[in-house]
Amino acid sequence: GAVVSQHPSRVICKSGTSVKIECRSLDFQATTMFWYRQFPKQSLMLMATSNEGSKATYEQGVEKDKFLINHASLTLSTLTVTSAHPEDSSFYICSARDRGNTGGSNSPLHFGNGTRLTVT
Amino acid sequence: GQNIDQPTEMTATEGAIVQINCTYQTSGFNGLFWYQQHAGEAPTFLSYNVLDGLEEKGRFSSFLSRSKGYSYLLLKELQMKDSASYLCAVRLSSGTYKYIFGTGTRLKVLA
Repeated sequence: GAVVSQHPSRVICKSGTSVKIECRSLDFQATTMFWYRQFPKQSLMLMATSNEGSKATYEQGVEKDKFLINHASLTLSTLTVTSAHPEDSSFYICSARDRGNTGGSNSPLHFGNGTRLTVT
Repeated sequence: GQNIDQPTEMTATEGAIVQINCTYQTSGFNGLFWYQQHAGEAPTFLSYNVLDGLEEKGRFSSFLSRSKGYSYLLLKELQMKDSASYLCAVRLSSGTYKYIFGTGTRLKVLA
């Protein structure tokens, strides 16, 4: 089955530093990846849609200059949390849809294992 | 805006049947997905509906009524390991087929 690898799984950083999270599709190509954020006991909130070779599309209320997304290849998208603050502490999770299933079929999202970010 | 609502918490007994409801009002519709998520882990795909009716997969079944904006996930023969959060998600039909998640339902299965 389709596998999405996300790294790191946990990161602790100091306030003001930047953190990069990688999301890779291991056995399929993904023109589109989605980045979600999840607070404790809450559901997944879509932050942005990452498009290979073009700019990401951000959801309302998400600061694009703070959450930098780069989708340089069909298998890699990165999310950089810039100048992190304690309120950015959260569970970040990426997901992708197999390029061979672009929505015309019952293609589910495949999720990475998430990154627990703690900003001190 | 997009609204996808689920009950916050449910409790059921091992061996029983539980139904988790999901109602949605979204700008476009291209399928409804159910995911299971254990604490601290990634969601895993359970079921998918795009047409009205019931889809059955082992102990899990999912139902969809597009005219009512309503879906439910039915879990039979509950096991302790089914204690988790259950998320319904709507795939929108425009552009990049974004997936919008519901509020999630935390299910606790008691012995």
